[in-house]
Amino acid sequence: RKEVEQDPGPFNVPEGATVAFNCTYSNSASQSFFWYRQDCRKEPKLLMSVYSSGNEDGRFTAQLNRASQYISLLIRDSKLSDSATYLCVVNTLTGGFKTIFGAGTRLFVKA
Amino acid sequence: SQTIHQWPATLVQPVGSPLSLECTVEGTSNPNLYWYRQAAGRGLQLLFYSVGIGQISSEVPQNLSASRPQDRQFILSSKKLLLSDSGFYLCAWSGGTGPYEQYFGPGTRLTVT
Repeated sequence: RKEVEQDPGPFNVPEGATVAFNCTYSNSASQSFFWYRQDCRKEPKLLMSVYSSGNEDGRFTAQLNRASQYISLLIRDSKLSDSATYLCVVNTLTGGFKTIFGAGTRLFVKA
Repeated sequence: SQTIHQWPATLVQPVGSPLSLECTVEGTSNPNLYWYRQAAGRGLQLLFYSVGIGQISSEVPQNLSASRPQDRQFILSSKKLLLSDSGFYLCAWSGGTGPYEQYFGPGTRLTVT
């Protein structure tokens, strides 16, 4: 089992749709979690942190479920500009620092 | 504000040639620094990270090495490139204490021929 797993997609959705991605992780000692966005042939850019209490930034909502060991990203009212690859990141600090990126989920938003 | 620079943006090198990629960070002190590689259509692979000058941790044994000669400078090197070294090399930094949000430079696209 991979340490961090994402559905590679692609997710093809119409503008205005709501879309959700999940990311599962295997190490229960993992301590910090993030979502990044990566456009084609560009560097990843931090989208948002993920907290147990959940956090929202405009149309984006991130959640952490420690019991089931997954994080989620919800995008509401999708825009064409949301088309990108979304990467989850899991950091573990116990026993030495470890950061693992998921392979990413591709999203295409179509008019 | 903090900025991170990488150069060159693109590089084409023959097999067996040496490599030196440089990354510098401005606007912060004592950052954690990271080198990643992303092969075409693949996820990011952490190669090295550094928590301070001269302190390098290697994640994947290979023909690459990293050095941190100054607080905000991180260098990725190879003595002899392999075809499998082709990829998108990304440098990133994070604050010295958690939760370790990382910020990436623009990357170097390396093609080994």
